[in-house]
Amino acid sequence: NAGVTQTPKFQVLKTGQSMTLQCAQDMNHEYMSWYRQDPGMGLRLIHYSVGAGITDQGEVPNGYNVSRSTTEDFPLRLLSAAPSQTSVYFCASSLGTGEREQYFGPGTRLTVT
Amino acid sequence: AQSVTQLGSHVSVSEGALVLLRCNYSSSVPPYLFWYVQYPNQGLQLLLKYTSAATLVKGINGFEAEFKKSETSFHLTKPSAHMSDAAEYFCAVKSLNNAGNMLTFGGGTRLMVKP
Repeated sequence: NAGVTQTPKFQVLKTGQSMTLQCAQDMNHEYMSWYRQDPGMGLRLIHYSVGAGITDQGEVPNGYNVSRSTTEDFPLRLLSAAPSQTSVYFCASSLGTGEREQYFGPGTRLTVT
Repeated sequence: AQSVTQLGSHVSVSEGALVLLRCNYSSSVPPYLFWYVQYPNQGLQLLLKYTSAATLVKGINGFEAEFKKSETSFHLTKPSAHMSDAAEYFCAVKSLNNAGNMLTFGGGTRLMVKP
């Protein structure tokens, strides 16, 4: 199993540009999430999905869209990039809720100039 | 809303010394508690988790954590630090009724190990 994969690893955008961060998992996990990591703030939840076709907002959803057309894929779209979205983005997946572990991808480092 | 506080954004210890990383959470009902480790330029890896089965939880790489309900704490310890333990450590909580499976993270503690 590849686990959770993310592409690209690095990306530089200009303000106003759009892009999609890709996330895929091959563990048949129902739950998938997107977090952003900023210094001193830990990770904060952007959006999550409890299964194909079902998504919901997390703590910091503004400026981001998600969709979940398959169990495996959970892309994150930046509609109009802003410097405040400069961050490291992590995708995670888990088999269920409760004590179930979340598995994290390697991250995408995004810089918006 | 839940919150997690990690006291000390940077902790420095000598190789062989005790490691103590502090985590306090705010929740009236004991949640699920996790410690994750992040090595440079990598994703997060689970160290250990508390699920109410036992208050002292042992994890990978010699780490353990003790859940103390009265103190709402879940501090991470390791008796003897190794150079390879240098990383950033995150405490996270998840409430029992959490349809979205959301983790709330602390701000992280960067552990430095001196030779």
